[in-house]
Amino acid sequence: GNSVTQMEGPVTLSEEAFLTINCTYTATGYPSLFWYVQYPGEGLQLLLKATKADDKGSNKGFEATYRKETTSFHLEKGSVQVSDSAVYFCALRKMGAQKLVFGQGTRLTINP
Amino acid sequence: EPEVTQTPSHQVTQMGQEVILRCVPISNHLYFYWYRQILGQKVEFLVSFYNNEISEKSEIFDDQFSVERPDGSNFTLKIRSTKLEDSAMYFCASSETSGRDTQYFGPGTRLTVL
Repeated sequence: GNSVTQMEGPVTLSEEAFLTINCTYTATGYPSLFWYVQYPGEGLQLLLKATKADDKGSNKGFEATYRKETTSFHLEKGSVQVSDSAVYFCALRKMGAQKLVFGQGTRLTINP
Repeated sequence: EPEVTQTPSHQVTQMGQEVILRCVPISNHLYFYWYRQILGQKVEFLVSFYNNEISEKSEIFDDQFSVERPDGSNFTLKIRSTKLEDSAMYFCASSETSGRDTQYFGPGTRLTVL
């Protein structure tokens, strides 16, 4: 079946460090891929998405590239800020389906 | 900016009781969803709803669960005869249409079954 695996958290970094959160997926066909972020006390917000192979999603300095050959969608940011502290969820949606399939989430803490 | 709202933020109930979780989706959206996250586990899809009927549901969504859009603004999830294992964070989401549209999530309702 379809599934998403994220790197284990929690992840703690210093401000201005480089961030990578790994995400790999298992799916038939060509799913759409997403990163959602959840700030404390809030709902999940779409951070970025990519709908086909080699697409790069980007938003707020975050980027992720849809790699079909490695079935990956790793999240990166060149210089993190304290305000990036949140839980990050990788997700997929199979073509033609409505439901999102989520990874387990990665808690990120950025220290000043 | 329009947002999805959910009430209550935290619900505590006794095992065997019925609970109704409420959501107000974004006003021009047509598709509505419920997801849940048991503590320490993944966010799981429960059900999607369109045009006053269920359009997709997971194997989790059995006869214990039901959804309803009782009026033009609310979308509810009813859990009958709650069990300890129903304790979780329940998220409502909505999207303008299906397919490639973004799903917008509410802040969640934490359900605790004692």
